[in-house]
Amino acid sequence: DGGITQSPKYLFRKEGQNVTLSCEQNLNHDAMYWYRQDPGQGLRLIYYSQIVNDFQKGDIAEGYSVSREKKESFPLTVTSAQKNPTAFYLCASRTRDDATNEKLFFGSGTQLSVL
Amino acid sequence: GESVGLHLPTLSVQEGDNSIINCAYSNSASDYFIWYKQESGKGPQFIIDIRSNMDKRQGQRVTVLLNKTVKHLSLQIAATQPGDSAVYFCAENSNTGNQFYFGTGTSLTVIP
Repeated sequence: DGGITQSPKYLFRKEGQNVTLSCEQNLNHDAMYWYRQDPGQGLRLIYYSQIVNDFQKGDIAEGYSVSREKKESFPLTVTSAQKNPTAFYLCASRTRDDATNEKLFFGSGTQLSVL
Repeated sequence: GESVGLHLPTLSVQEGDNSIINCAYSNSASDYFIWYKQESGKGPQFIIDIRSNMDKRQGQRVTVLLNKTVKHLSLQIAATQPGDSAVYFCAENSNTGNQFYFGTGTSLTVIP
């Protein structure tokens, strides 16, 4: 089945620790995105990547880092600089970043909590 | 910046009734809109989309209406079922930007 796989489903972070969230897609999509979702709020863009080895900051990039070494993979690292990391993280992809009328496909999300 | 908002944060309907979820957007350059359904603890699922050159689009039990004059979008669900209980988001995208902007969502509860 084609789709986007996020892992783990649940993740716990200790204070001062960096953690990495995995996102893999087999849809052959060029563009990939990371969103943060807090209760009662809309999705906010953290980082996005239009093509391999290229990525741009979204609205709330501080305290996060990403890499895009392979087309299929777009891992997100939540660093110790992110002081309020508890949230539901969603990875998404679409055919091309500049493609109008192309919907986003979402993964099943990772719930990150602070110990 | 753009904003996408929903008029009602919660909506309760009786099973079998029709549901209407509303969304307002502020960017007149937005030309593509999507409705997503999100169940608790899961990622958003695509429901239906519409381009700005249309004012209505129908899917299976769902209809999206777009009123560009007042920058308003609505999702109609016919014969609402318990499985329709979820949070519904609208999202907008413009051909000048590469970002989607999402509303806060409306929580739909279907009463059996």
